[in-house]
Amino acid sequence: AQSVTQLGSHVSVSEGALVLLRCNYSSSVPPYLFWYVQYPNQGLQLLLKYTSAATLVKGINGFEAEFKKSETSFHLTKPSAHMSDAAEYFCAVKGVGNTPLVFGKGTRLSVIA
Amino acid sequence: DAGITQSPRHKVTETGTPVTLRCHQTENHRYMYWYRQDPGHGLRLIHYSYGVKDTDKGEVSDGYSVSRSKTEDFLLTLESATSSQTSVYFCAIRPGTSGGGTDTQYFGPGTRLTVL
Repeated sequence: AQSVTQLGSHVSVSEGALVLLRCNYSSSVPPYLFWYVQYPNQGLQLLLKYTSAATLVKGINGFEAEFKKSETSFHLTKPSAHMSDAAEYFCAVKGVGNTPLVFGKGTRLSVIA
Repeated sequence: DAGITQSPRHKVTETGTPVTLRCHQTENHRYMYWYRQDPGHGLRLIHYSYGVKDTDKGEVSDGYSVSRSKTEDFLLTLESATSSQTSVYFCAIRPGTSGGGTDTQYFGPGTRLTVL
């Protein structure tokens, strides 16, 4: 069975500062990992996904994530935060076949001017 | 845009009444999902479908039923709504063939349901 832990339900950064959102996963099989973003009153939008092709994955809006098997982590980073990055971010894991996507509880990112 | 619409977008109802939420897709994808989103819980899977009349339960299926009589529509029914079912409900689709493990899920805009 797969599971996801997102460390920190709320992260606050200054505009221009590094964004680091943490995600650790548990999976008995090689996982597929995803980061989604949700802006207020909207649905979830895919930021990036890891599917074993490369450990460093680049996504939209300048975000990237690195898959570290030894640490069972898939942390999301962005070098310089922008006000428009304020949103809720969800990490998710999926096994092979028709296994469902399992979400973390989310991290709300606030960006301070 | 993955061509997913949900209706209604907002609904207020009373405890004990039946409620049906509709998810409609325009691209004939095989896999469809219903989630609920609650503060502090993230998204939790209610039911999913892997084809017409083929459905299965998710993590939080109690009190919910689903039907899929056409590829494009996936209905979620609360037979007798309770206040604990107040939530935001999201539908998702997953492109891909059978067993496509890498395919991404794409989400609809959500339905905000309030049960008084």
